Amino acid sequence: QVQVVQSGAEVKKPGASVKVSCKASGYTFPGYYFHWVRQAPGQGLEWMGWINPNSGGTNYAQKFQGRVTMTRDTSMFTVYMELSSLTSDDTAVYYCARDMMIYGLNYYFDYWGQGTLVTVSS
Amino acid sequence: DIQLTQSPSSLSPSVGDRITITCRASQSIRTYLNWYQQKPGKAPKFLIYAASSLQSGVPSRFSGSGSGTDFTLTISNLQPEDFATYFCQQSYSAPITFGQGTRLDI
Repeated sequence: QVQVVQSGAEVKKPGASVKVSCKASGYTFPGYYFHWVRQAPGQGLEWMGWINPNSGGTNYAQKFQGRVTMTRDTSMFTVYMELSSLTSDDTAVYYCARDMMIYGLNYYFDYWGQGTLVTVSS
Repeated sequence: DIQLTQSPSSLSPSVGDRITITCRASQSIRTYLNWYQQKPGKAPKFLIYAASSLQSGVPSRFSGSGSGTDFTLTISNLQPEDFATYFCQQSYSAPITFGQGTRLDI
């Protein structure tokens, strides 16, 4: 069965970077895009962008352009999201979510990781 | 960016009730509207896609409807496990956006 497991919680200082991993299993890894979505405490959901694990291609929400980098390691069935120049506004739970369409995009998020809490504090 | 506005923000129904949550888009998104359920401390769960198609494994008491700018999520015969927060999401155009959520309180 499909499983998506993320790395553990992180505490970072303002100005630092964080890199969150998301390991998939139970299906053909290169076939499905991954999205990253974050949720600040008590707030709604915010889409950050996607990565194509097959080609490594990415598309980032304009809000995060220049600060986010999404990568993948196909040998490890893992995608990564790195966010730089952190501020307290970046304190949130970060989720990876699989796109439901094989070898394409429909922005239906069918499987989610458990979430990674990133706390930015001096 | 396409804005999604959900109403109400919260609801306090009883087990067995039929409830409806509304999601309104700032422009037409045809039927590119999806619904998720989230419980405290958990990741969202995918419920409905393309406005009215039930994701595999989701109970039939959940249903969705709508097109253009106005959409609804209906839960019939509310069960204890349905008390959660519900989000709508548009998949019409990037950036992908979500509604602010509707919380069902016991």
